[in-house]
Amino acid sequence: NAGVMQNPRHLVRRRGQEARLRCSPMKGHSHVYWYRQLPEEGLKFMVYLQKENIIDESGMPKERFSAEFPKEGPSILRIQQVVRGDSAAYFCASSLPGQGYEQYFGPGTRLTVT
Amino acid sequence: SQQGEEDPQALSIQEGENATMNCSYKTSINNLQWYRQNSGRGLVHLILIRSNEREKHSGRLRVTLDTSKKSSSLLITASRAADTASYFCATDALGGGTSYGKLTFGQGTILTVHP
Repeated sequence: NAGVMQNPRHLVRRRGQEARLRCSPMKGHSHVYWYRQLPEEGLKFMVYLQKENIIDESGMPKERFSAEFPKEGPSILRIQQVVRGDSAAYFCASSLPGQGYEQYFGPGTRLTVT
Repeated sequence: SQQGEEDPQALSIQEGENATMNCSYKTSINNLQWYRQNSGRGLVHLILIRSNEREKHSGRLRVTLDTSKKSSSLLITASRAADTASYFCATDALGGGTSYGKLTFGQGTILTVHP
């Protein structure tokens, strides 16, 4: 049973470009969470999604960031017009449907904005 | 201050010794989870303890939870060099009796085990 898959593992973007990060949850998991980790810091929640539905986006910056989890295919975290401050590791986690289950994390995408 | 704060920030021990890390939090929780992160890599789920549980074991790991003090501890017994990593606690908060789903992480404890 494959774990949570994220791609790309490393992404370099120039300021002003768009970054698209993908996450495929574990088999049987329908809940997806995105977290951001800045250097030397813990993880910060960004958004919680179920298929075709955003449950909680309270951690998402108001502008330039969006997320989706379509009926088919991976979850996408999209960052438009990236700035240097967006450089971070972005982790996706998935869990079983329902409340209070373990969240299993992917290997992360390390975004560098030059 | 922040939900899910770990103490100490850094811990350095010799192989074979026990390592204890503590976590404090502020709100009511549904559960608390501990994770390990090796440098620059993803998080590995270690253990989940629910709010109605007081202690849980998994191999060399022992986790306790004291909801009256809003604190948890992670004990790693007979540590090995391979245990060197950052350890995070993460809380799944409750609101109106319902889990929010999202996890709130602390800053982590950096554990170094010397061979």
